Amino acid sequence: GAVVSQHPSWVICKSGTSVKIECRSLDFQATTMFWYRQFPKQSLMLMATSNEGSKATYEQGVEKDKFLINHASLTLSTLTVTSAHPEDSSFYICSAAPGSQPQHFGDGTRLSIL
Amino acid sequence: DAKTTQPNSMESNEEEPVHLPCNHSTISGTDYIHWYRQLPSQGPEYVIHGLTSNVNNRMASLAIAEDRKSSTLILHRATLRDAAVYYCILRDGRSGGSYIPTFGRGTSLIVHP
Repeated sequence: GAVVSQHPSWVICKSGTSVKIECRSLDFQATTMFWYRQFPKQSLMLMATSNEGSKATYEQGVEKDKFLINHASLTLSTLTVTSAHPEDSSFYICSAAPGSQPQHFGDGTRLSIL
Repeated sequence: DAKTTQPNSMESNEEEPVHLPCNHSTISGTDYIHWYRQLPSQGPEYVIHGLTSNVNNRMASLAIAEDRKSSTLILHRATLRDAAVYYCILRDGRSGGSYIPTFGRGTSLIVHP
């Protein structure tokens, strides 16, 4: 079945560092991918919709200059957390779907900023 | 997409059936009902989906009310590995590329050994 691969699984870094998270659709093409953030014991919060070949669409309250999204190919979207601070520590998850089929999710990236 | 409401949590004993309800009273005729679940420290995984008829797969069954304003995810024999947060969301079958999956709080299922 369709698989979405997310890398890395976890990151620990110092405050001020920029961190890049990759999301790949392994056996299908995805013109659209979604990025979520999840805090402990809370639901997934949609951050942005990543669109292949065009700018991402950010949800209200999400800083586009803070969370840079690049979707340069039909199988890869990246989320870069720029100048990360402790409040950016969270669980980041991406998803994509082949056509109109149900979404497939990455395993998530646990980001810890010291 | 129409909203859904689910109980915050439910409990079950191992090897007993579990019925997880979802209300979607404002569902439209073209909305599919999708269920996902999220195990601790993992991304969500697809469980099942349906439009009007009841559906069965290797993971679960989906019972859809005749008026489609509610549905029930059925785990026939709960195991400890089924302990997860279960999300019920709707997808407009006409939305195509404009579909944006958003999640509510879901139901946290606790399974007792």
